[in-house]
Amino acid sequence: SQKIEQNSEALNIQEGKTATLTCNYTNYSPAYLQWYRQDPGRGPVFLLLIRENEKEKRKERLKVTFDTTLKQSLFHITASQPADSATYLCALDRTSGTYKYIFGTGTRLKVLA
Amino acid sequence: NAGVTQTPKFQVLKTGQSMTLQCAQDMNHNSMYWYRQDPGMGLRLIYYSASEGTTDKGEVPNGYNVSRLNKREFSLRLESAAPSQTSVYFCASSLLQTQETQYFGPGTRLLVL
Repeated sequence: SQKIEQNSEALNIQEGKTATLTCNYTNYSPAYLQWYRQDPGRGPVFLLLIRENEKEKRKERLKVTFDTTLKQSLFHITASQPADSATYLCALDRTSGTYKYIFGTGTRLKVLA
Repeated sequence: NAGVTQTPKFQVLKTGQSMTLQCAQDMNHNSMYWYRQDPGMGLRLIYYSASEGTTDKGEVPNGYNVSRLNKREFSLRLESAAPSQTSVYFCASSLLQTQETQYFGPGTRLLVL
């Protein structure tokens, strides 16, 4: 069956360091992948989209990579700040089936001052 | 622009009661979605509407009905609430169903006793 895995354990890092979050998938061939940020008590907010023919995408301190051979996306936040503390979700385009998107369970990031 | 709005923010129901969750968007988006989010399960699609006048089942449609009232509004109805429907419900919209980021509402917390 199709499956997306994100590290369910919280990731704690020191302010100023680079945070790296992982999204692995099986039995998919997504055309693109998205990353969202979710703060407690709020809805997810879109951050970045990367297509299957793109190896890397950047936006300010954010960087996403997409390796279709490994079936993995990495999400990096450089020079992390306490304000980056949130849950980060990856979402895949299913490419087949009646609905388009499937979300991972998310990884909670805490940046320590 | 308010984006995506949801009402109510919080609701407590008794088993067997019915209720309708309301969602509206002011971004002139064609597609709208209803998700539920449970701890450890991530966001799961209940129903979606690719365009005005159409609705389709998502991953977990049982126990729910939807109505795409017009282009702006998409409601979710629980006809006979069950404790298993205790969750946080998010409405989202996107310009098109394909390759578009989703914009989420603030969520409705539902507790079924």
